[in-house]
Amino acid sequence: AQKITQTQPGMFVQEKEAVTLDCTYDTSDPSYGLFWYKQPSSGEMIFLIYQGSYDQQNATEGRYSLNFQKARKSANLVISASQLGDSAMYFCAMREGLGGTGGFKTIFGAGTRLFVKA
Amino acid sequence: GAGVSQSPSNKVTEKGKDVELRCDPISGHTALYWYRQSLGQGLEFLIYFQGNSAPDKSGLPSDRFSAERTGGSVSTLTIQRTQQEDSAVYLCASSSQPSGTGSLSGGYTFGSGTRLTVV
Repeated sequence: AQKITQTQPGMFVQEKEAVTLDCTYDTSDPSYGLFWYKQPSSGEMIFLIYQGSYDQQNATEGRYSLNFQKARKSANLVISASQLGDSAMYFCAMREGLGGTGGFKTIFGAGTRLFVKA
Repeated sequence: GAGVSQSPSNKVTEKGKDVELRCDPISGHTALYWYRQSLGQGLEFLIYFQGNSAPDKSGLPSDRFSAERTGGSVSTLTIQRTQQEDSAVYLCASSSQPSGTGSLSGGYTFGSGTRLTVV
């Protein structure tokens, strides 16, 4: 069964510094995708970044990068140059397979709340 | 529309009543998902629709929960005989139809959710 673990319920970071949010996953499917979403206090879910299991390079999107360590089954999110607006809940998620009977169901971790200090 | 639209945004209902939550996905998105988020918790998968395929209902917590998607577009999540533990934010998301390995890259677009309170 697929599983996503985020062990940090809360994190603090100083403005302009980098922060790493941890995520580990478990799956027996060789084909999967890993995602990070941001949920500000407004409640909307915002897609940030994606990493495919076959991707050779770590994904990057602006100040976001995904530190993908396949052998360790970890997909940590790194936010560089933190801004006050980065304060939010962050969810790691995984989607297994190429469809078929497994579909494209995505499961989410419990989340990490990030607080950026001025 | 430009985004995923959910209605109502808030719903307060009495225990034992039935409720219907509506989701209008992005035009052209063939995949539609329902999730539930309890206060301070992560997202719990409920059900997934993909085109004309049979939906993946594996996340529905009980037979009081059902969902349908008419015409491959609008979806309705129905909760019968609501109970207090059903109180949560119900989130709908949609994505483009996947095709091959590249299809895994699509993130979902979420709606703003329906906050359900059962009193």
